[in-house]
Amino acid sequence: AQSVTQLGSHVSVSEGALVLLRCNYSSSVPPYLFWYVQYPNQGLQLLLKYTSAATLVKGINGFEAEFKKSETSFHLTKPSAHMSDAAEYFCAVKNDTGANSKLTFGKGITLSVRP
Amino acid sequence: KAGVTQTPRYLIKTRGQQVTLSCSPISGHRSVSWYQQTPGQGLQFLFEYFSETQRNKGNFPGRFSGRQFSNSRSEMNVSTLELGDSALYLCASSPWGNTEAFFGQGTRLTVV
Repeated sequence: AQSVTQLGSHVSVSEGALVLLRCNYSSSVPPYLFWYVQYPNQGLQLLLKYTSAATLVKGINGFEAEFKKSETSFHLTKPSAHMSDAAEYFCAVKNDTGANSKLTFGKGITLSVRP
Repeated sequence: KAGVTQTPRYLIKTRGQQVTLSCSPISGHRSVSWYQQTPGQGLQFLFEYFSETQRNKGNFPGRFSGRQFSNSRSEMNVSTLELGDSALYLCASSPWGNTEAFFGQGTRLTVV
């Protein structure tokens, strides 16, 4: 079984401040991990993915995440928040690329950016 | 390359009716998955199709069904609609063996 925990439902930061969105996962096998972003009334856009290569993953829009197996974590960071980063962020886990390839999502975190 | 296209974008139905949602995957992608998004339950997996076969199914009642055509386009159907079926339905496509899923804009279904 696989699961994802995203602590807190809402994070608020000032423009230019560090963004840190937390994600912990549970998986019985080495996982594939993803961060998606969703803007209002839109679908999900892939920010970045971890697929057992480098543990520090760089994504789009200046975001990056670090896979830490010992902590079962995959936290998302961005050094300097921009107003356009305000959105909902989802962490997701997938165990296999074959027959069991469903994504399991966390509850999501709403990021607000204050001017 | 065109992205995942879902139609319609918005839909209003009455309780007891049925509805069909459509998804056209990215060209060359053979896997299509469907997810339901609600404020209370978040994003939940409905089912996945690959080469016209359902490979995986989530924990939803039999009122929810789907199919995939030979051109990889997919439809999902919900019969006997309930108020609780109001949600954003998202379709995602993937190439075979690829790890990431690419999502469409979703269909917002409102049941009244």
